[in-house]
Amino acid sequence: GQQLNQSPQSMFIQEGEDVSMNCTSSSIFNTWLWYKQDPGEGPVLLIALYKAGELTSNGRLTAQFGITRKDSFLNISASIPSDVGIYFCAGRPIQGAQKLVFGQGTRLTINP
Amino acid sequence: DAGITQSPRHKVTETGTPVTLRCHQTENHRYMYWYRQDPGHGLRLIHYSYGVKDTDKGEVSDGYSVSRSKTEDFLLTLESATSSQTSVYFCAISENPFTYNEQFFGPGTRLTVL
Repeated sequence: GQQLNQSPQSMFIQEGEDVSMNCTSSSIFNTWLWYKQDPGEGPVLLIALYKAGELTSNGRLTAQFGITRKDSFLNISASIPSDVGIYFCAGRPIQGAQKLVFGQGTRLTINP
Repeated sequence: DAGITQSPRHKVTETGTPVTLRCHQTENHRYMYWYRQDPGHGLRLIHYSYGVKDTDKGEVSDGYSVSRSKTEDFLLTLESATSSQTSVYFCAISENPFTYNEQFFGPGTRLTVL
């Protein structure tokens, strides 16, 4: 089946640092999504991207839909303690659009 | 927040016993999904429903069955639980994935099979 490769798998940073993570695929997707999961809770949608090349911000978060439609990245600027959690990318395939394909997740840990 | 609840939130059971997890929504969304989350695997789709009595398999459906007799409820059943089914299970809902209506997730059920 289709797979997304998300990297890095984990990050350990200092408060105030910027964060960058990305997802790549061998398949084309027509939507890229970024979710965040806090400990003990379900994932929450952060950003949705619908056009190749699209760059979208949500506060300190910025995400881009790659031109090739096979990748996406998420940046977090000036990290704060509440940014801790697991970040998932998800792609909507062209065939079978009712189902999302998820990356393995990036676990973010912040040292105060 | 989308109105999604899951029950139970935690369950410990023994190998070979049947288990049913419930997802309940108050949003009247057509699509409902069951995922399992395991370290290193992210979220993997078990089954989904696109309407009452309409369901389809996901990538990890073996050992699981689902039912949807009402719009608001989507049940996941493990007919005979195995230790490999120890996981965190998430339900998600979507109004219409074909028109940019994205999935919203419930709080999860942690299942331990001894």
